[in-house]
Amino acid sequence: RKEVEQDPGPFNVPEGATVAFNCTYSNSASQSFFWYRQDCRKEPKLLMSVYSSGNEDGRFTAQLNRASQYISLLIRDSKLSDSATYLCVVIPGGGNKLTFGTGTQLKVEL
Amino acid sequence: ETGVTQSPTHLIKTRGQQVTLRCSSQSGHNTVSWYQQALGQGPQFIFQYYREEENGRGNFPPRFSGLQFPNYSSELNVNALELDDSALYLCASSLSLSNTEAFFGQGTRLTVV
Repeated sequence: RKEVEQDPGPFNVPEGATVAFNCTYSNSASQSFFWYRQDCRKEPKLLMSVYSSGNEDGRFTAQLNRASQYISLLIRDSKLSDSATYLCVVIPGGGNKLTFGTGTQLKVEL
Repeated sequence: ETGVTQSPTHLIKTRGQQVTLRCSSQSGHNTVSWYQQALGQGPQFIFQYYREEENGRGNFPPRFSGLQFPNYSSELNVNALELDDSALYLCASSLSLSNTEAFFGQGTRLTVV
């Protein structure tokens, strides 16, 4: 079983739609959780950290469910510029060695 | 711009050859991690360096080796290249071991033929 699992997609949605991505992780001792965004052939960039209380950054909302070992990302009012691959990232212990999921590809269309 | 630079940006090597990739970390960052990203996959952790010492290694064979210099820049060396080593190699720097935010360079795209 992979440490971090994501649906690879692609998710093709119209502009303005709401889309949700999910991710599960296997290590219950994991302490830190993130969503990264990666544009085609570019490096990953931090989108947002994920907390149990849930956190929001504009149109983006992230949620962590420790009991189910489940992380989600909700994007409201999708823009063409949101088209990218969204990577779920977990830090299994202390420190900063990142464990990535395979990524979920999002395509926002006119 | 993250301030993390990698060189070269692209590289083509022949199977069996050796390659050295370089990373210049963001100013003040003493921790550098290397990742391999194969096509269609997420990045996989190779190893991490902290203050010139290796601090953890992923599931990669010994022919993947690294180095960190006193200025915290780093090298990734791969010997006896295999076709499956073709990937995007990413370097990420962090302020310290305990700081979870990682800043990635633009990567080196290695093709092994």
